Amino acid sequence: QTVVTQEPSLTVSPGGTVTLTCASSTGAVTGSYYPNWFQQKPGQAPRALIYSTNNRQAWTPARFSGSLLGGKAALTLSGVQPEDEADYYCLLYFGGAQPWVFGGGTKLTVI
Amino acid sequence: EVLLVESGGGLVQPGGSLRLSCAASGFSVSSNFMSWVRQAPGKGLDCVSVFYTGGATYYADSVKGRFTISRDTSKNTVYLQMNSLRAEDTAVYFCVRGVDTALGLSLDYWGQGALVTVSS
Repeated sequence: QTVVTQEPSLTVSPGGTVTLTCASSTGAVTGSYYPNWFQQKPGQAPRALIYSTNNRQAWTPARFSGSLLGGKAALTLSGVQPEDEADYYCLLYFGGAQPWVFGGGTKLTVI
Repeated sequence: EVLLVESGGGLVQPGGSLRLSCAASGFSVSSNFMSWVRQAPGKGLDCVSVFYTGGATYYADSVKGRFTISRDTSKNTVYLQMNSLRAEDTAVYFCVRGVDTALGLSLDYWGQGALVTVSS
């Protein structure tokens, strides 16, 4: 059973920068895992932010960027806004018997 | 405009059945892979089933043999038939569009979700 791990919680100040990471129990995350990132606010459906490592969806603000960092997928928020407070989930593609696996989510607090 | 609208959720007793529908507009379900992702109360996201463009399907081990995903291209709708429901199937079920782009795979549009509660 493949496990995808994210930081449970992070805190950042308005205007600051924060990086969320996404690790795989199978080893280093590469572009072939097509990392996707999603934002979810309370009571709402998740909203897609990033696909295939570093490609923004059409509606994603430029302050959100994706990358690979130290064997993990990463989501960096620069110039954080109060409305960025939310849960963030990563998703990795493994193919085969367990194609899509979500991380457990990171609760981002902006204070 | 791409829209996904789920329906069919509700309260059901353990062992019962429900069928979720996901009506799509703004694109063709036959041209994209479609997924059902669920979220138990206070928990994270879990991909339970996928219908690929070629007709292949995927089921998570937790629902294999009990859930069936299907699509009706004439109605541009995807379904999730859920049988032998258990308390642990209680969750909000989201319908999600998947796209195989030139840059890679993307799960881009999500429905608003359908709440399924399994309880006696």
